[in-house]
Amino acid sequence: DAGVIQSPRHEVTEMGQEVTLRCKPISGHDYLFWYRQTMMRGLELLIYFNNNVPIDDSGMPEDRFSAKMPNASFSTLKIQPSEPRDSAVYFCASSLVGGSHNEQFFGPGTRLTVL
Amino acid sequence: GDSVTQMEGPVTLSEEACLTINCTYTATGYPSLFWYVQYPGEGLQLLLKATKADDKGSNKGFEATYRKETTSFHLEKGSVQVSDSAVYFCALTSGAGSYQLTFGKGTKLSVIP
Repeated sequence: DAGVIQSPRHEVTEMGQEVTLRCKPISGHDYLFWYRQTMMRGLELLIYFNNNVPIDDSGMPEDRFSAKMPNASFSTLKIQPSEPRDSAVYFCASSLVGGSHNEQFFGPGTRLTVL
Repeated sequence: GDSVTQMEGPVTLSEEACLTINCTYTATGYPSLFWYVQYPGEGLQLLLKATKADDKGSNKGFEATYRKETTSFHLEKGSVQVSDSAVYFCALTSGAGSYQLTFGKGTKLSVIP
C-alpha cells in the first residue's frame, strides 16, 4: 500500500495568496484527519471527515480555512487569504473504523511557509 | 476535556543509555493509549499502543504499560541507539466510538554516539 499521500511537500507563498493542500488517504479508510503542527502549539486537529462528511471542524482556526472531501480518495485544505502565522507543517491522516483500535496513519506532511 | 501531559524535552542521551519519557493523561471513559514517533522530515507513525488497564505495548525495544491507577503511560527503552533520535508523542482516544487522537506536545530525543 502506498500510504497516505500529501502534496505538495513544501509550499512557499506570499501573504494574501490562496494555498491548497492535497491529501489522498489509504484506500478503504473511512476517516480522514487534518492536523497542523507548530513549535508553539504542537499538533492540533483542524477537522476530520467520516465517509467524506465533515464531522468536527471546531479546530479550524478561522473562516480563512476550509476543507473538502469530494470523494473517498481525495481531500483538500484551503487557506484563503494566507497569513504568515499560518506557516506550519500540515499533516493528513486516515484510519479505518474497526481497524486496530483507531490507529491513524499519517502522511509525510506539507511544510507551508507564508512570507 | 481530554488531555495528555508529557515531559518537556529535549532529552539527550548517550548510545546504550536507558530511556524513560513520562506521560500522564486525563480522560473520560476508558481511553486507548498510544505512542507515536516522528523521525526528522517525516510524518508520525505508531510506535506502540495499549487499549486497557495493565496492558503493555511494545515495539522495537520500546515498552509502555497502561497504568489506570496513576493515569500514566511512560515510554521506556533499556538501551537507545542513534537511530532512535526522533520526537515522541503520547496520545489517547477517549474510548468506544471516539476517533479523535489527543496528543501531548512531544518530546525530542537525541542520542549521541
